[in-house]
Amino acid sequence: GQQVMQIPQYQHVQEGEDFTTYCNSSTTLSNIQWYKQRPGGHPVFLIQLVKSGEVKKQKRLTFQFGEAKKNSSLHITATQTTDVGTYFCAGLFGNEKLTFGTGTRLTIIP
Amino acid sequence: DTGVSQDPRHKITKRGQNVTFRCDPISEHNRLYWYRQTLGQGPEFLTYFQNEAQLEKSRLLSDRFSAERPKGSFSTLEIQRTEQGDSAMYLCASSPLAGGLGEQFFGPGTRLTVL
Repeated sequence: GQQVMQIPQYQHVQEGEDFTTYCNSSTTLSNIQWYKQRPGGHPVFLIQLVKSGEVKKQKRLTFQFGEAKKNSSLHITATQTTDVGTYFCAGLFGNEKLTFGTGTRLTIIP
Repeated sequence: DTGVSQDPRHKITKRGQNVTFRCDPISEHNRLYWYRQTLGQGPEFLTYFQNEAQLEKSRLLSDRFSAERPKGSFSTLEIQRTEQGDSAMYLCASSPLAGGLGEQFFGPGTRLTVL
């Protein structure tokens, strides 16, 4: 089936350290979206990547879409306590159904 | 508040009872999606609507689940004869764009507990 795997499941970092989460699919994606879910909250859209090899930046966040459109990554530079939450990638396989990864839960040690 | 709203926010029910949840999307969003999320997992797609038409249902959605969007605005999700395995957060999202492109705006969810 169409699945999106995400690693790591958990990441604990000191405030100020960098953080990266990776997303992989066994089949080609039409596009990939990234969402952030704060503890007790609902998913909030961060970005969408559509083109092969695409790189987008939002302040301290850098998003990449692989050349083969099968993988993606989110990198946060110099984490802050406001970055706490679970980061989900969500892939589209050519239909309208988003398939979410299992998420990476980021905790920050002040 | 012009975001997606869901009602109720919490529902506790006994096994075997029927429950119904409501979702009000952002007005003029013609796409409406239902997801289920369990602890430690990402949201799982259940079904989606384009206006009042239900275009796809997940195989996860058993015959006990039914969703409607009668006038292309709000939507309801009904679960009949609830089971303990139905306990989860039920999330609704809406989007103005077709083809799965663009941001989905999520509501706060309805947390269902089946005793």
